[in-house]
This record gives sequence, structure tokens and C-alpha cells, in this order.
Amino acid sequence: GQQLNQSPQSMFIQEGEDVSMNCTSSSIFNTWLWYKQDPGEGPVLLIALYKAGELTSNGRLTAQFGITRKDSFLNISASIPSDVGIYFCAGTDSNYQLIWGAGTKLIIKP
Amino acid sequence: KAGVTQTPRYLIKTRGQQVTLSCSPISGHRSVSWYQQTPGQGLQFLFEYFSETQRNKGNFPGRFSGRQFSNSRSEMNVSTLELGDSALYLCASSAGGRQQETQYFGPGTRLLVL
Repeated sequence: GQQLNQSPQSMFIQEGEDVSMNCTSSSIFNTWLWYKQDPGEGPVLLIALYKAGELTSNGRLTAQFGITRKDSFLNISASIPSDVGIYFCAGTDSNYQLIWGAGTKLIIKP
Repeated sequence: KAGVTQTPRYLIKTRGQQVTLSCSPISGHRSVSWYQQTPGQGLQFLFEYFSETQRNKGNFPGRFSGRQFSNSRSEMNVSTLELGDSALYLCASSAGGRQQETQYFGPGTRLLVL
């Protein structure tokens, strides 16, 4: 079946560092979504991308819809402690099925 | 607008019992999707309902079922609970034309099966 590869699985970074994570798919996607989940809560939408090549920012977060339509990345600049959590990518394939990545766990070293 | 609400937030059951979880979508949203999330795992899609009909289904056994009411509220039921059913169950709603539309999640119901 359809799969999304999200990497890295986890990241240990220092406060103030920039963060980058990405997702790749085996086939073309129509949309890419990035969510963040805090412990014990449901995922919250960060950024939605609808067109190949689209680059969208939300504060310190920037995400891009890859030109090939098979990948997307999320960057976080100047990380702060509240950025800790699990980041999920999700995308819709040609059958309008929403496929989820396994998540990237972000941990900030004190 | 109120967000997606789920009840109850926490639940403890024993093996063999059955459980019903409830989800109220954002007002005006017609699609409700259910996901299972086990510790350290991603989101496993259970099913999606739109206009009271199941539109998509994931790869879960028949013990997992759901339904949607005319007001778009949805329930999911798990019968004959197993220890492995312990998880966070998330509900997400969207406006509903297509599942690709942005989904908004509730806080989840944390189920513990003893």
C-alpha cells in the first residue's frame, strides 16, 4: 500500500538551533499537511500545502511542497522549548486517501 | 467556533468488554475520521464517515465499528476488547467534500484495557 517515509524519527537539538525534517512518498501527492502533537493531545495543523513548489511560512515554521510532488519538508528556525513534540506529515494521494507519516519526535536538550 | 470534542477523555476497561467513544465535529463539518495511536506510533486510520455513510475504512478487524448521526456526530465501538486495544483514539473532522481537506483533531480518548 501507499507509504510515507518521514525522517528523522527523532531529533535531539539545542535551544536556538534550526530544525529540518522531511517526508517522501512513492507516488505523487495532491496536498501535503504538517501537524504537531503535544503529549496527551490531538495533532494540530501547522501548515497546509496545495501546489507543487509552494513555500509557506507560519511564524518560525516554513514548509515546502516538492516540485516532484513526492516530497515535502518542514523547517523550524531558532527552536524554543515549546517546539518539543511530535511532528507529523500527511498527504493525499491520487485516490484522495490521506496518508500519514510515522512522525518526528523533537526533543530539546537543556 | 467550538473545536472537535471527544468524550470521554479517559477510560479504563477490562478484556472482553466493549466500549463506545463519541466525537462531535466542528459545526458545519460533515466528515469525521477516526484514528488509533499507540505509544510512540503514528496515526493508524480506522474509518471515515461522511453524511452518515462509511466512506473509507482502514485495516482493522471487525471488532472496530462506527456510525455517524444526522447531526454529524460520530461514535466508534470496540467489542471484545483486547490488551492491544489500549491506545489514544483520535477523531478528526473536516468540511467533508474530500478526505484531503484539512482535518481538525479532537483531544482524543485515552483507553486503557486491563
